[in-house]
Amino acid sequence: SQELEQSPQSLIVQEGKNLTINCTSSKTLYGLYWYKQKYGEGLIFLMMLQKGGEEKSHEKITAKLDEKKQQSSLHITASQPSHAGIYLCGAEDTGRRALTFGSGTRLQVQP
Amino acid sequence: DGGITQSPKYLFRKEGQNVTLSCEQNLNHDAMYWYRQDPGQGLRLIYYSQIVNDFQKGDIAEGYSVSREKKESFPLTVTSAQKNPTAFYLCASSQSGRTETQYFGPGTRLLVL
Repeated sequence: SQELEQSPQSLIVQEGKNLTINCTSSKTLYGLYWYKQKYGEGLIFLMMLQKGGEEKSHEKITAKLDEKKQQSSLHITASQPSHAGIYLCGAEDTGRRALTFGSGTRLQVQP
Repeated sequence: DGGITQSPKYLFRKEGQNVTLSCEQNLNHDAMYWYRQDPGQGLRLIYYSQIVNDFQKGDIAEGYSVSREKKESFPLTVTSAQKNPTAFYLCASSQSGRTETQYFGPGTRLLVL
């Protein structure tokens, strides 16, 4: 089965700083999803990437999928306290039409 | 408003007791999923259903059971065979039975008394 490794596991940044979260797969990624979770709540969909080299942005968050389709990164520009939470990457498991998730990156933004 | 609802928000289970977590969606999605999340960990797939009256085991199905009698409902029962049920349970749904974007409910936290 597909395994996703996220790094770092946790991150503390000062407000206004940029940061990057990585998601690495042991297999080729055919669909890579980024979600955000506030503690004790459900997941909020951020972005989905499918093509090698693809890049998508929403407000101050940019997600990229590398050309080999085995690594994705999530970049936040000028972080704000509202960006705090857990970021999870999920990948399509082509064998069973479900998602496999990484263990998440916990982000804290200090004012 | 369209969305996914889960109830209750908190649930307490006694030893040897079965408990059922509710998941309802009004998005007209074909596929529904149940995940378990433990502290500091990602989501692990328990069961999933691509269409009504059909469902498949995920990675950690032992001690759990589901039913899919209606398109909008996918209840999860945590049986007494599940020896470590304390966790956060998340339900999700997606369109057309494909692994398209999954939308999640707010979750149910299960605690053992």
